[in-house]
Amino acid sequence: GENVEQHPSTLSVQEGDSAVIKCTYSDSASNYFPWYKQELGKRPQLIIDIRSNVGEKKDQRIAVTLNKTAKHFSLHITETQPEDSAVYFCAAISNYQLIWGAGTKLIIKP
Amino acid sequence: DTGVSQDPRHKITKRGQNVTFRCDPISEHNRLYWYRQTLGQGPEFLTYFQNEAQLEKSRLLSDRFSAERPKGSFSTLEIQRTEQGDSAMYLCASSSYDPGQQYFGPGTRLTVT
Repeated sequence: GENVEQHPSTLSVQEGDSAVIKCTYSDSASNYFPWYKQELGKRPQLIIDIRSNVGEKKDQRIAVTLNKTAKHFSLHITETQPEDSAVYFCAAISNYQLIWGAGTKLIIKP
Repeated sequence: DTGVSQDPRHKITKRGQNVTFRCDPISEHNRLYWYRQTLGQGPEFLTYFQNEAQLEKSRLLSDRFSAERPKGSFSTLEIQRTEQGDSAMYLCASSSYDPGQQYFGPGTRLTVT
């Protein structure tokens, strides 16, 4: 079955710098890759997603890239702000289920 | 509010008691999912429904757990004979036919004392 690995587990960046979170997946049949942001005590929120027929997608300060050959995808956040502090989860679709990464705690230092 | 809602938001129960949680999905969504999340971990899949049919259950879901979606709208998750290890946040999510774009409810935090 699908396995999703996510790195790093914790990422601390200076406010205004960029942050990159990376995920790899194992099932070459996976074709949809969402990213969720979860603030402490809140629900996971879908922030961006990408399908396998696209290599990159951007939404304001957030972008996601996908390399199907290497089976990895990444989340890029530019010009980080304090409100970006949260746990970010990547996921991949396999057999109609979302398989989740372990999460990355992003800390924005003032 | 047209998002996913869950009730109750918090539940404290004594070990051995039964508890039931409710989830109301986004009205046009036909898929509904239950997850469990403990502190510092990602959501753990429990089960999902397409309309009223329960299509998959996690092997982690013991016989004490049961879920229903009788009319293909709201769903209930029941835990019988609760144990301290059941303490967690129980999240519900819904999606349209696209299973990837899941939208989550606020969760029910269960504490078993």
